[in-house]
Amino acid sequence: EPEVTQTPSHQVTQMGQEVILRCVPISNHLYFYWYRQILGQKVEFLVSFYNNEISEKSEIFDDQFSVERPDGSNFTLKIRSTKLEDSAMYFCASSLTGPPNQPQHFGDGTRLSIL
Amino acid sequence: AQKVTQAQTEISVVEKEDVTLDCVYETRDTTYYLFWYKQPPSGELVFLIRRNSFDEQNEISGRYSWNFQKSTSSFNFTITASQVVDSAVYFCALSVNYGQNFVFGPGTRLSVLP
Repeated sequence: EPEVTQTPSHQVTQMGQEVILRCVPISNHLYFYWYRQILGQKVEFLVSFYNNEISEKSEIFDDQFSVERPDGSNFTLKIRSTKLEDSAMYFCASSLTGPPNQPQHFGDGTRLSIL
Repeated sequence: AQKVTQAQTEISVVEKEDVTLDCVYETRDTTYYLFWYKQPPSGELVFLIRRNSFDEQNEISGRYSWNFQKSTSSFNFTITASQVVDSAVYFCALSVNYGQNFVFGPGTRLSVLP
């Protein structure tokens, strides 16, 4: 069964550095998402992306964050000037069609640790 | 605004017991979808079920069953004859028409003891 894949599985970065989290959505999916889960807390929506542009973003997704689909397969989340509170698990997800009816298929997540 | 509440933070049961995880949602939209995801200790999010707002039929899948009641805005999840492998955090999520994202509940951590 097709999967969403995320790399790396664990990223350790010094505070203030930039980090790029990478995702390969399921190949025929058109909608892409990033979510964040701070340790022990709930999963929070960051951003959705469709047709090469952001379709919706949450309050968390401020100017520090950006997303890009640099080619036909990758979907990246860039965090500039990382802060300690950016430490979390970041999940990428994709769906064939848009909300609300499609289950979003999640990757295994990237655990980001900011030192 | 949309909201999902899972009042049970943690539940512990002994293997073979039945357990019900509660989910209560809030939305003004008449078209919406509800989902359950499982997050095992390894951390990934595993899709379990989707239910749309117009279909109140309960669903059974093996040991899993779901009870959707619009009158009480609830979408509860029951595991029958629980097993140790069911130990995980379970998230209920809501998606509304014209919305682009899921709203997740805070999750219920289920521990099934041998």
